[in-house]
Amino acid sequence: QVQLVESGGGVVQPGGSLRLSCAASGLTVSNSGMHWVRQAPGKGLEWVALLRYDGINTYYAESVKGRFTISRDISKNMVYLQMHNLRPEDTGVYYCAGGSGWLAAGWGQGTLVTVSS
Amino acid sequence: EIVLTQSPGTLSLSPGERATLSCRASQSVTNNFLAWFQHKPGQAPRLLIYSASSRATGIPDRFSGSGSGTDFTLTISRLEPEDFAVYYCQQNAHSPLTFGGGTKVEI
Repeated sequence: QVQLVESGGGVVQPGGSLRLSCAASGLTVSNSGMHWVRQAPGKGLEWVALLRYDGINTYYAESVKGRFTISRDISKNMVYLQMHNLRPEDTGVYYCAGGSGWLAAGWGQGTLVTVSS
Repeated sequence: EIVLTQSPGTLSLSPGERATLSCRASQSVTNNFLAWFQHKPGQAPRLLIYSASSRATGIPDRFSGSGSGTDFTLTISRLEPEDFAVYYCQQNAHSPLTFGGGTKVEI
């Protein structure tokens, strides 16, 4: 059974940085596509980033390109989202998801990021 | 970017009734890589359907997906009380991956 557990959320000022972590079990990040997806308060789901199984190819939503970086640590079976230059519109619950190819088959419970002064 | 438009925005139904949710893409989705997710407040989203019509592991057979190209449908044959939630379609064929705006199924 896939289990993904996010951590690292919190309150940060505009322009600040934060790193989210996702611990995976029942799924090997080295052969899975791993995603970050977010949900702003009262809004729908928004895809943020994807790290392909090869660990080399990454894809980002236009809204975060150049500010966010997705990466992984195979030895720890973990995935990360480094976020810089945060904006109030980045506020929301961030979910880690993963699966075969580009399919987000398994999801975590999410971690809340609040960007506010 | 492929834009996904879901309709209706809200569906008001009773347990035992049939629910039909629509997802229309602004351009053809390659290989019909279209997925459906169920999302309840405070919970992780759950994959229901992938590749337009394949049920994910453990999903009851009252959930079914159909369609191809630009028009896709999620059908719940007989609503159970636990099915009242928000449903999203997502295309996972082209970057950026995109979600539809969601359909809320309420009592």
